[in-house]
Amino acid sequence: GAGVSQSPSNKVTEKGKDVELRCDPISGHTALYWYRQRLGQGLEFLIYFQGNSAPDKSGLPSDRFSAERTGESVSTLTIQRTQQEDSAVYLCASSLTGRGVYGYTFGSGTRLTVV
Amino acid sequence: SQQGEEDPQALSIQEGENATMNCSYKTSINNLQWYRQNSGRGLVHLILIRSNEREKHSGRLRVTLDTSKKSSSLLITASRAADTASYFCATDAYGIQGAQKLVFGQGTRLTINP
Repeated sequence: GAGVSQSPSNKVTEKGKDVELRCDPISGHTALYWYRQRLGQGLEFLIYFQGNSAPDKSGLPSDRFSAERTGESVSTLTIQRTQQEDSAVYLCASSLTGRGVYGYTFGSGTRLTVV
Repeated sequence: SQQGEEDPQALSIQEGENATMNCSYKTSINNLQWYRQNSGRGLVHLILIRSNEREKHSGRLRVTLDTSKKSSSLLITASRAADTASYFCATDAYGIQGAQKLVFGQGTRLTINP
């Protein structure tokens, strides 16, 4: 597609429930990134996919967080047993390659509120 | 962990004035990028400057990079109300298998007053 698409744009969930966030990267972009941004804060790196290589999961805050990507297309970020501290905007970005010579294109994010 | 740190955290100026934001980082980089974020949602890539470049221009934007001081600045000339946003610097960091990821600072909140 023309840009990075994320869904849903907003999600309100009860504490303890599981949520699944979706990201459709730009077609042809081999690198895909998930970041988390709490209110008024910077971006926290969560996970990175590059082609068929093993993902870099070093930013996932706990084992409640997991992500998958099918080939070089859609990615889903799953948060199990959500906690109030998980409330944030979850941003997905893609890049033509993971070599760092291109900028990232971000989606509009999913605003997650855990009540 | 945060690599880039922006300064100031917030900046408020009159329309037409120039705005300067600074970014400092800690480790060696291959490139440094600046992004803008409106209303707390998606970020927009503004400019990328490589470690062997000292200055780069794009329209009303001017970015400098001083690798000896591990710092960069973003200058927006002749500011407009539409420039009101948060601005983030990001530096590349290498993860597993040499993969590159961006590490973002906390951002500078810029407000342009009419």
